[in-house]
Amino acid sequence: DSGVTQTPKHLITATGQRVTLRCSPRSGDLSVYWYQQSLDQGLQFLIQYYNGEERAKGNILERFSAQQFPDLHSELNLSSLELGDSALYFCASSEGGNTEAFFGQGTRLTVV
Amino acid sequence: GENVGLHLPTLSVQEGDNSIINCAYSNSASDYFIWYKQESGKGPQFIIDIRSNMDKRQGQRVTVLLNKTVKHLSLQIAATQPGDSAVYFCAENPSSGTYKYIFGTGTRLKVLA
Repeated sequence: DSGVTQTPKHLITATGQRVTLRCSPRSGDLSVYWYQQSLDQGLQFLIQYYNGEERAKGNILERFSAQQFPDLHSELNLSSLELGDSALYFCASSEGGNTEAFFGQGTRLTVV
Repeated sequence: GENVGLHLPTLSVQEGDNSIINCAYSNSASDYFIWYKQESGKGPQFIIDIRSNMDKRQGQRVTVLLNKTVKHLSLQIAATQPGDSAVYFCAENPSSGTYKYIFGTGTRLKVLA
């Protein structure tokens, strides 16, 4: 168990809908990272927050947004969902930058 | 499981032999690297890390080697066991001012009994 908790584990939704994925980092970790893992693209970095502030951005779509709350948990919001958004979404946390990042078990999103 | 659609390079190793998994990274300014192991249906699991001011680091049964000249990273697993079967990823932090880890494509390790 990495100590990073993601909910829900599975999510099935229809195209055009909006979903929210939640991540609770390890106790004491200030950084939260979001990744998307599709069958054909491996692990893609989406966005990173440190102590409530956005610090790095990857190829995150405009339909996607995230935030980190004062209690350090983070949410990834995906809207206007398309079939191609079906993937595993992972959250990771670390104490800061340039330290080991630990991953949660992921949320499997299926868009139908 | 995950990555079945990817054309991952595969390394097949006899149980008990040593495994060497290679990774070419992209950014010469990258200053921190991590190796992860991902089993089917699970999140990536931290194995070992190394900073750019080192060229070798050892853990339990694992060693990471860093060659900055050719931007190459390797993971050596000693006495490979069936439980080592998984997909292995290297990840790099492109520069000290950023807070993101960019993952390589991954290598599937198959341990033959």
